[in-house]
Amino acid sequence: DQQVKQNSPSLSVQEGRISILNCDYTNSMFDYFLWYKKYPAEGPTFLISISSIKDKNEDGRFTVFLNKSAKHLSLHIVPSQPGDSAVYFCAASESGGSYIPTFGRGTSLIVHP
Amino acid sequence: DTGVSQDPRHKITKRGQNVTFRCDPISEHNRLYWYRQTLGQGPEFLTYFQNEAQLEKSRLLSDRFSAERPKGSFSTLEIQRTEQGDSAMYLCASSLADSPLHFGNGTRLTVT
Repeated sequence: DQQVKQNSPSLSVQEGRISILNCDYTNSMFDYFLWYKKYPAEGPTFLISISSIKDKNEDGRFTVFLNKSAKHLSLHIVPSQPGDSAVYFCAASESGGSYIPTFGRGTSLIVHP
Repeated sequence: DTGVSQDPRHKITKRGQNVTFRCDPISEHNRLYWYRQTLGQGPEFLTYFQNEAQLEKSRLLSDRFSAERPKGSFSTLEIQRTEQGDSAMYLCASSLADSPLHFGNGTRLTVT
């Protein structure tokens, strides 16, 4: 049973436009959420995180929104750049536990020039 | 900060053979994690160390798998009697306390 779901395997966006990647979770104990980015032949790299005490966190072109009642989070990239083309993983963990993140299956983002 | 280092990058082995992978975490990180990733899936948790103590193991970690972290530094993951279903990317990550995980580039295992 997948506790973190990324229902869109892929997303294609024009350079300069907004990319919106979505993630849903089922475990109500999750209270810390992360996004990772992965290029081919490399390991995932941390991008941005959000704690459940917030509903928004921003870092440059990247913003993560959290809707706790819907158990939904999204990553917005504005403006999208060709270098953003990668696989994006959503992850969630329980801060009161061992902080072991559970990952979704990922969404492959392609940004066209 | 030289990052998390994993060795080898690729390993091809025949079914039934034993393999061992090594992970060198970021030096000041006290936590070390092993994940496995197969095609079309996200990383799946295998096991976790805090310093030298192995604190959690996933149900995915069958008794053919063993992990160690002697002296709380590098870690090894051994798979005995490999099966074709063990073919995957094995990812190591480290972190300091509750900070986000830093991943290595993984060891790709192919069992023929």
